[in-house]
Amino acid sequence: AQSVAQPEDQVNVAEGNPLTVKCTYSVSGNPYLFWYVQYPNRGLQFLLKYITGDNLVKGSYGFEAEFNKSQTSFHLKKPSALVSDSALYFCADPSGAGSYQLTFGKGTKLSVIP
Amino acid sequence: DSGVTQTPKHLITATGQRVTLRCSPRSGDLSVYWYQQSLDQGLQFLIQYYNGEERAKGNILERFSAQQFPDLHSELNLSSLELGDSALYFCASSVEGEGREKLFFGSGTQLSVL
Repeated sequence: AQSVAQPEDQVNVAEGNPLTVKCTYSVSGNPYLFWYVQYPNRGLQFLLKYITGDNLVKGSYGFEAEFNKSQTSFHLKKPSALVSDSALYFCADPSGAGSYQLTFGKGTKLSVIP
Repeated sequence: DSGVTQTPKHLITATGQRVTLRCSPRSGDLSVYWYQQSLDQGLQFLIQYYNGEERAKGNILERFSAQQFPDLHSELNLSSLELGDSALYFCASSVEGEGREKLFFGSGTQLSVL
């Protein structure tokens, strides 16, 4: 069963403004959580992952994600959005059969407006 | 470039036909995953192989089958195709085949069933 949820289908943000893409999770214990990005006509690319330790995880392209256990959230953030950040963002966790593979959220389309 | 190669990039075929999608993983990666991406279903895990053996099976139809060869490349066979099988099919690879790893995705094969 799906254990990550992305509540927003689309997020619009102005260039230069901070951006947040939301993800919530529902697993017991310490979860493993991932963010991937899909640019148009491309495969998914790894951004970052949380395993344990610091709640703020830094990733590729200036992105970071904050793990919040009390709110069961793992939101993706960036201080200043670029037009080139426009893409489809997926939250994921290893909740599939045998936990050998990632199960992805439905995705959030981020549009950065110039 | 992720190092994962998928061929062909585009495939157009008719209902009832059979097609084969091919994936070459990154050098050194033992595990291959297949995912299907469609607008209505999102990104769905199909099947995973590790070093030639099936490791996990997800939402894969009986009309679909896959295998991983001794040189570690993998093929996904789709038969008796239906209109609803039209989708983007991704292959991904990883070293150990564990859900906590980073996945490297190919650029996908866009299948259109007419």
